[in-house]
Amino acid sequence: DSGVTQTPKHLITATGQRVTLRCSPRSGDLSVYWYQQSLDQGLQFLIQYYNGEERAKGNILERFSAQQFPDLHSELNLSSLELGDSALYFCASGGWQGGSYGYTFGSGTRLTVV
Amino acid sequence: QKEVEQDPGPLSVPEGAIVSLNCTYSNSAFQYFMWYRQYSRKGPELLMYTYSSGNKEDGRFTAQVDKSSKYISLFIRDSQPSDSATYLCAVSGNEKLTFGTGTRLTIIP
Repeated sequence: DSGVTQTPKHLITATGQRVTLRCSPRSGDLSVYWYQQSLDQGLQFLIQYYNGEERAKGNILERFSAQQFPDLHSELNLSSLELGDSALYFCASGGWQGGSYGYTFGSGTRLTVV
Repeated sequence: QKEVEQDPGPLSVPEGAIVSLNCTYSNSAFQYFMWYRQYSRKGPELLMYTYSSGNKEDGRFTAQVDKSSKYISLFIRDSQPSDSATYLCAVSGNEKLTFGTGTRLTIIP
């Protein structure tokens, strides 16, 4: 267990639908990063939150949105889904903790749009 | 120009060889340098981080940073088939976290 929890692990939905992906960061981490990884592609940065506030945006589509709640968990909302949105979605949290530095990833949500 | 450049490979080497993986970055503001390993369809796993220029060793892995040339490297000694994976470099600073595209490595038994 990496300490970063993502749910659900798998999601199959139809085009045009809306889904919500959830991420709970590692205990003590205030930041959450969301990434999209399509088949055999690199990690595409979507958005970052820090203590409830949006800090940075990457290549995130207007159909996608996110938020971070007071308990620091984050949700990524994907709407009007298209076949091309099928991908692995990862969240990560991190920084300094316990004398070590780094960002820990969750196990991801595999989204399949049919 | 991308903030982090990494040769995507693929790279295939025989078992036992020394592997060298490299990245360059463009922004001097980056302060932390990390290497991740990702097995197929799994979440990236942090291997090592470094803060300053120089070398850092952990078992068969050595991370090297040259801030003057904005160049980071990962060396794997005595490579094993279980090292076959995609390796991603990452840089961070001021809460910004940027990844290279990853290098796909295959160790041939």
